[in-house]
Amino acid sequence: AQSVTQPDIHITVSEGASLELRCNYSYGATPYLFWYVQSPGQGLQLLLKYFSGDTLVQGIKGFEAEFKRSQSSFNLRKPSVHWSDAAEYFCAVVASGGSYIPTFGRGTSLIVHP
Amino acid sequence: SAVISQKPSRDICQRGTSLTIQCQVDSQVTMMFWYRQQPGQSLTLIATANQGSEATYESGFVIDKFPISRPNLTFSTLTVSNMSPEDSSIYLCSVEAGGGGNEQFFGPGTRLTVL
Repeated sequence: AQSVTQPDIHITVSEGASLELRCNYSYGATPYLFWYVQSPGQGLQLLLKYFSGDTLVQGIKGFEAEFKRSQSSFNLRKPSVHWSDAAEYFCAVVASGGSYIPTFGRGTSLIVHP
Repeated sequence: SAVISQKPSRDICQRGTSLTIQCQVDSQVTMMFWYRQQPGQSLTLIATANQGSEATYESGFVIDKFPISRPNLTFSTLTVSNMSPEDSSIYLCSVEAGGGGNEQFFGPGTRLTVL
């Protein structure tokens, strides 16, 4: 079975600073990978996804993520954080060719200081 | 994409009572999913609901505690029965995006507090 690790429970950055949120997965093959964002009081919104091909994927709101097979990682990045980016971020993995049900990481809470 | 609404958005309930949460989708979907998000935790899948068949429950969740209805392709309900404070969570419904995309669209969630 697949699993996802988000090692950082909280990340604090200053507005305008760069951001990297870490995600590591465990799965025997190349999975489908996702990043979701949950703003306070909201459901989850898909930021970006990786299925195959180019390992650097672009998402909404200026986010990007890079799939690194050798490190089993799918880290989320943004070059300049805005105060509105403060939210909970979830990495998720779906077994390719298997169950379509995602396994979510524990989430990383992003705090943005002005 | 799919637009999903949930009712109620939040509720405070007494121990021993039951609450039914509604999930409405703006398009017909085959699979609907119910998740629980306990305070400070990630999402845990409760069950998968197909129209016209019994819901499939994940390990640790049972139909008597979380009965689910799926009367048509755009609607589902989740009931949290005989509630205890441990049931205080956010409950989210979601649907698969379709087209082989494997991503899911989520409703805004129902924030339940059990006293």
